[in-house]
Amino acid sequence: EAQVTQNPRYLITVTGKKLTVTCSQNMNHEYMSWYRQDPGLGLRQIYYSMNVEVTDKGDVPEGYKVSRKEKRNFPLILESPSPNQTSLYFCASSLGTSYWGGSYEQFFGPGTRLTVL
Amino acid sequence: GQQLNQSPQSMFIQEGEDVSMNCTSSSIFNTWLWYKQDPGEGPVLLIALYKAGELTSNGRLTAQFGITRKDSFLNISASIPSDVGIYFCAGQRVNTGFQKLVFGTGTRLLVSP
Repeated sequence: EAQVTQNPRYLITVTGKKLTVTCSQNMNHEYMSWYRQDPGLGLRQIYYSMNVEVTDKGDVPEGYKVSRKEKRNFPLILESPSPNQTSLYFCASSLGTSYWGGSYEQFFGPGTRLTVL
Repeated sequence: GQQLNQSPQSMFIQEGEDVSMNCTSSSIFNTWLWYKQDPGEGPVLLIALYKAGELTSNGRLTAQFGITRKDSFLNISASIPSDVGIYFCAGQRVNTGFQKLVFGTGTRLLVSP
């Protein structure tokens, strides 16, 4: 089944304890992205990757790192989590970015709910 | 970063009613997308719009790309309980690809049987 998987689905941690949220897709997609969802703010992009070893900042990258060593995986790293990073995180992937007159649909993972105490 | 203004924030309706929601921006977009997020799930694409003035349907859903390219509308006809969820609009800015999608703040829809 074509899908985007995230692990863990739920995580409670403490301030300053490094953590990694994994994201994997089995659709051979080039483009992957991380978003955070907060009440009243919708989804905001954290980082994205156009292909292996190609990553760039989204709108809210502070406090996060990513890597893209393999096409299928795009982990999100919080080196020193803080309470303001408590949020619902989504990973997404698509075949590409855009083409004239159309788009490549972004497929979203099921989400990771993170609580930083 | 920019957020899209989406309204209403929430709606509580009776089954069978029609629903309208909209999304506005201060800047122009090339593409408008509408997503639905079921409880505990990630967003799923409902409709994509690529041209100003375009009207597109997907079953009971109809969406329009505003003529000014600064807004979009989503209508749901004859709502049913499984329409419950959060609806997001998203836009692709001019001169950028889908790596820079901007999302709206969401409309939470509740449907009473």
